Amino acid sequence: NAGVTQTPKFRVLKTGQSMTLLCAQDMNHEYMYWYRQDPGMGLRLIHYSVGEGTTAKGEVPDGYNVSRLKKQNFLLGLESAAPSQTSVYFCASSNRQGSYNEQFFGPGTRLTVL
Amino acid sequence: ILNVEQSPQSLHVQEGDSTNFTCSFPSSNFYALHWYRWETAKSPEALFVMTLNGDEKKKGRISATLNTKEGYSYLYIKGSQPEDSATYLCASRNSGNTPLVFGKGTRLSVIA
Repeated sequence: NAGVTQTPKFRVLKTGQSMTLLCAQDMNHEYMYWYRQDPGMGLRLIHYSVGEGTTAKGEVPDGYNVSRLKKQNFLLGLESAAPSQTSVYFCASSNRQGSYNEQFFGPGTRLTVL
Repeated sequence: ILNVEQSPQSLHVQEGDSTNFTCSFPSSNFYALHWYRWETAKSPEALFVMTLNGDEKKKGRISATLNTKEGYSYLYIKGSQPEDSATYLCASRNSGNTPLVFGKGTRLSVIA
């Protein structure tokens, strides 16, 4: 059981470039989430998905798009990267959005936008 | 948006000391409170999920309490060890259909 995996682990982009971060989980979880973590800001939710084919905006969705074409994968896209998107990105999944189901986190992707 | 606050922001304790920190959340429309432990260079890992007023949970030397009427939760660590050094996150949600909102965390350093 790999749990939640993220690809890539590190990436450096130039302003204006695009990229896609991949999150995969093998726990058959319904819910998946993308967060960004910045110094002094904690974890902030970018987008989330409550099931295959569905997505919803979180607290800081601007500049990002997501897709959930398969239940096990949740993609985060940056169409035109900006220095403000330099951050560590964490993906998480949970069995369902019920009260007792904790989130399982991936190892993170460190993104630098120059 | 739900506001979850944690205090203190950081804490340094000596090995063997007991310590505690606070998570505050809106008491209206409370649904669940989660605690996560986040070691440097690793991912957050769940410690506790609590839903009922007066809930107390324990895992080894770490325990947590919940007061939903006044909107706070305490995390206690008894006899801190260097391996307890981590950031402790709490998160709350106000319904079963809304995502968790995380606090900014309390960074604990235990000095040997």
